[in-house]
Amino acid sequence: DIQMTQSPASLSASLGETVTIECRASEDIYNGLAWYQQKPGKSPQLLIYNANSLHTGVPSRFSGSGSGTQYSLKINSLQSEDVASYFCQQYYDYPWTFGGGTKLELK
Amino acid sequence: EVQLVESGGGLVQPGRSMKLSCAASGFTFNNYDMAWVCQAPKKGLEWVATISYDGSSTYYRDSVKGRFTISRDNAKSTLYLQMDSLRSEDTATYYCARHPLIRGTWYFDFWGPGTMVTVSS
Repeated sequence: DIQMTQSPASLSASLGETVTIECRASEDIYNGLAWYQQKPGKSPQLLIYNANSLHTGVPSRFSGSGSGTQYSLKINSLQSEDVASYFCQQYYDYPWTFGGGTKLELK
Repeated sequence: EVQLVESGGGLVQPGRSMKLSCAASGFTFNNYDMAWVCQAPKKGLEWVATISYDGSSTYYRDSVKGRFTISRDNAKSTLYLQMDSLRSEDTATYYCARHPLIRGTWYFDFWGPGTMVTVSS
């Protein structure tokens, strides 16, 4: 199975700040990567697919990048509604696997 | 509006069975591959099973193979997960999730609110 390692596990940032979350795959996943946002007590919501494509309705302050085994999610100009946990998921190879998550809080 | 609503969760004893349902609306259900994804309390996400749009193909994570069965009724726009021989480690919130319309792309573009399954004596 492809292992997905996210960092950091938790993050504290101020309003208006730019935040970056990293995801490393145990092997090349050829941009088969998605990012999800999960607010407390809610189900996950898709943010990014194919490593850098923004899902419909997602604010443009979210962006994804990367290739090979290294990927990142960037949030520009952090808003209060961005407080959530973020998960990456590889779908290049079965079984599809998730990273352990990054919990983002406000400083 | 796309809606996925899970039901059937609750408390069950180890070794017993439980069947989850997911009622879909707001989209053409029989065009989409569907999946179940679980999340243990305070833990990360784990893909459980996927079924193709027509029910002809199913995929499972190793830990549930032979115990869980994913199925669908396209006439009722409903997805199911039959869970047998339940273990304490199956305790989790189970989400019904939709794969995107593009075949062979296995991320999840819409999720239901989830139903909690607790396996305990």
